[in-house]
Amino acid sequence: NAGVTQTPKFRILKIGQSMTLQCAQDMNHNYMYWYRQDPGMGLKLIYYSVGAGITDKGEVPNGYNVSRSTTEDFPLRLELAAPSQTSVYFCASSYSSLGAEQYFGPGTRLTVT
Amino acid sequence: GQNIDQPTEMTATEGAIVQINCTYQTSGFNGLFWYQQHAGEAPTFLSYNVLDGLEEKGRFSSFLSRSKGYSYLLLKELQMKDSASYLCALRAETGAGSYQLTFGKGTKLSVIP
Repeated sequence: NAGVTQTPKFRILKIGQSMTLQCAQDMNHNYMYWYRQDPGMGLKLIYYSVGAGITDKGEVPNGYNVSRSTTEDFPLRLELAAPSQTSVYFCASSYSSLGAEQYFGPGTRLTVT
Repeated sequence: GQNIDQPTEMTATEGAIVQINCTYQTSGFNGLFWYQQHAGEAPTFLSYNVLDGLEEKGRFSSFLSRSKGYSYLLLKELQMKDSASYLCALRAETGAGSYQLTFGKGTKLSVIP
């Protein structure tokens, strides 16, 4: 099993550009999550999904969109990138949200200039 | 909402024991997790407590007191590879049978010879 994979690993965007961060898992997990982590800060939940076709906002959803058309994939869309979105983005998945550990992808380091 | 507090940094000696504390305030408490994160890498799951008491896993133990809003992670026989950030994360019910995980800012542990 590859676990949770994310692409790209690094990206530099100009202000106002858009991009999609890809996330896929091969563990047949229902729950998937997107977090951002700023230096010296904890992980902040952006969006999460409890299954294909179902998504919900986390703590910091503004400026982002998600979709979940399949169990495996959970892409994160950035529209009109801003410097405040410079961060490391982690995708994670879990079998359920009840007592389940989350498995994290390797992260995408995004810089917006 | 949830509030999590843990020390920013700690230093300990190789072979020693270190205790990393985490205090929290929340409604809808439904579990406390500890994750380890090496610099530049993704978090990995260490432990999970939902009932009061001590959970032991090899060199790592985690304790929870729900009435005091307090948890700690105990690392024994410290090794240089234990140098990492340790993230305390709180799971709380958000309604409609769904849960979210809120992370603390992490404690950066440095193990010195």
